[in-house]
Amino acid sequence: DGGITQSPKYLFRKEGQNVTLSCEQNLNHDAMYWYRQDPGQGLRLIYYSQIVNDFQKGDIAEGYSVSREKKESFPLTVTSAQKNPTAFYLCASRPGVYQPQHFGDGTRLSIL
Amino acid sequence: SQQGEEDPQALSIQEGENATMNCSYKTSINNLQWYRQNSGRGLVHLILIRSNEREKHSGRLRVTLDTSKKSSSLLITASRAADTASYFCATDSMDSSYKLIFGSGTRLLVRP
Repeated sequence: DGGITQSPKYLFRKEGQNVTLSCEQNLNHDAMYWYRQDPGQGLRLIYYSQIVNDFQKGDIAEGYSVSREKKESFPLTVTSAQKNPTAFYLCASRPGVYQPQHFGDGTRLSIL
Repeated sequence: SQQGEEDPQALSIQEGENATMNCSYKTSINNLQWYRQNSGRGLVHLILIRSNEREKHSGRLRVTLDTSKKSSSLLITASRAADTASYFCATDSMDSSYKLIFGSGTRLLVRP
């Protein structure tokens, strides 16, 4: 079955540490997205990529970095510069503009 | 920034009753989409309504769109306990930016 796989499901970060969240899709979608969701809140866009080797900042990109070297993969790194990283992170993809997004099941990141 | 504002923030109903959620937005849109999120999971696309459509149905779901008022509503008829989830609207603007702007969501509880 086609879909989006996020790993790990739970992740813990120590002070001063960078961590990387994985997102892989086998839907052959061009566009991929990373969102942050805080408890009881909506989704805030961190980064998005419309095509391989290209990505744009979303509304809350500070303290995060991404890469898009392959169509299938869009990893998100939460750097030590992100002082409040505890949140639920969702990855999504879509086949083209004005189409629905497909979501992974998220990674919950906490601070040790 | 979040364009969509949803109302109510939370809704509790008895099984078998209808549930209505509203969404308002600010800019011109190509389409508006509704998503569902079960606790701790990713979002699932429910229905997409284009700016030239006024009403759309899918099973027990009915969505209306009023572009003059920049608002939409989602009606779930004959609700079931399994409908308990958070529901989000999301708008696709006319600028082909590939970005969806999500609302803050309505938390629906359907009591058995």
